[in-house]
This record gives sequence, C-alpha cells and structure tokens, in this order.
Amino acid sequence: SAVISQKPSRDICQRGTSLTIQCQVDSQVTMMFWYRQQPGQSLTLIATANQGSEATYESGFVIDKFPISRPNLTFSTLTVSNMSPEDSSIYLCSVERGGHKYTDTQYFGPGTRLTVL
Amino acid sequence: TQLLEQSPQFLSIQEGENLTVYCNSSSVFSSLQWYRQEPGEGPVLLVTVVTGGEVKKLKRLTFQFGDARKDSSLHITAAQPGDTGLYLCAGLAGGATNKLIFGTGTLLAVQP
Repeated sequence: SAVISQKPSRDICQRGTSLTIQCQVDSQVTMMFWYRQQPGQSLTLIATANQGSEATYESGFVIDKFPISRPNLTFSTLTVSNMSPEDSSIYLCSVERGGHKYTDTQYFGPGTRLTVL
Repeated sequence: TQLLEQSPQFLSIQEGENLTVYCNSSSVFSSLQWYRQEPGEGPVLLVTVVTGGEVKKLKRLTFQFGDARKDSSLHITAAQPGDTGLYLCAGLAGGATNKLIFGTGTLLAVQP
C-alpha cells in the first residue's frame, strides 16, 4: 500500500484568490493523479502529474486554471487559480506504484475540501 | 466518451437486508475496480476484476464482471451499518495510460 497525505485538509477562500494543494507519498510512485469530487458524487480526473514534464490535462481542464507541479517521485502540487464559487469541491490526489497494467491499484489521499465564497 | 452508469444512485436499507449495485457501460474495459469511500476520506479499493464472467468474493461482498467486460455488479449479503458509504466502480480506459473512468456512484446507508 501507499500512505498519502494532503495539505491543507480543508480551506475557505475568497473569490479571485488561488490555493495550492500539496500531495506527499511515503514512497516513490510512477503515476500521480489529481481528481475533483463534489460531496457524495463521483470523481472527475483533472490531470496526470508527470515527473519532469508538463501535466496531461483532461478535457475541460487547462493548465492556466489548474497548474500542477511534480518535482520528484513522491510529491506533487495542484493550484486552483483565480477561484470562483464553482470551484468549491473536494480535490483528491491518487498514486500508482507501477505494476501490472490491468490490476495496478490506485491509492487515494484523504482529500482537500475547498469552499470558495 | 466512455461512461459508467451506476444504479441505484441512492439506497437506504435496514441491517440484515441484501442489496445489489449495478455498473453499466456501452464500452469495453480492460479491467474494472470497485471502491468504497467514507466521509472525509479517499476511496479505498475493494476488488479488481479482469476476466469476463469473473466472480470474486470478499466476505459478504460478491463482485461480478460481465461476460463482455462492459458491466459489473456488487452484491452485499446481510448488510451491516459498517457497509455505509459511497460505492464507486471504475473502469480502466486502456491505451497507453492507466486512466480510470469512475462510475456515477451509489450512496448506501444501512440503518441499524
């Protein structure tokens, strides 16, 4: 398994500001992902954080709004820029160690609950 | 676009009852995973099914992957309050990445 921590666990922010969320893993992993989740609803993949190169964003998500860094194999950050109330959500990071392609497990962090006023 | 629809969306039952959650798609997936998520935590993997027609059991939970690898079901026998949570199926999209496509979710509440 993998132990994943996220900071902050929750935050309340003002419209127009930015928040950076950190994801730290207890061991090196090959893949790191960032998801968004409305409470009680499913997860939507924002992007895959690539070590040493630009993140790969999913349709509907852009780098200017959600810049991502991954400086090494155990750490990544997601910034939510120029926030609006519509960005209020739970943001989760997940990791994969890299094993069998069809059965590798994704481990999730506890999430960051963001409220934008 | 690959979509996974789960049904029901919400389910409230009494302790001891049985239930089945369905996960359906028109797309074929390399494998399918089931997660459970409790409030304030991230999803936790319950099982991965890979082969069409595969059945896996985890104590009172039985998971089945459809023959065509487009759908799956989760059956819980004699539900307990500890089973309460959000159940998510997730299909592996295939291709060069290990991207997971998550289902719409089923929120289960088991009343004591």
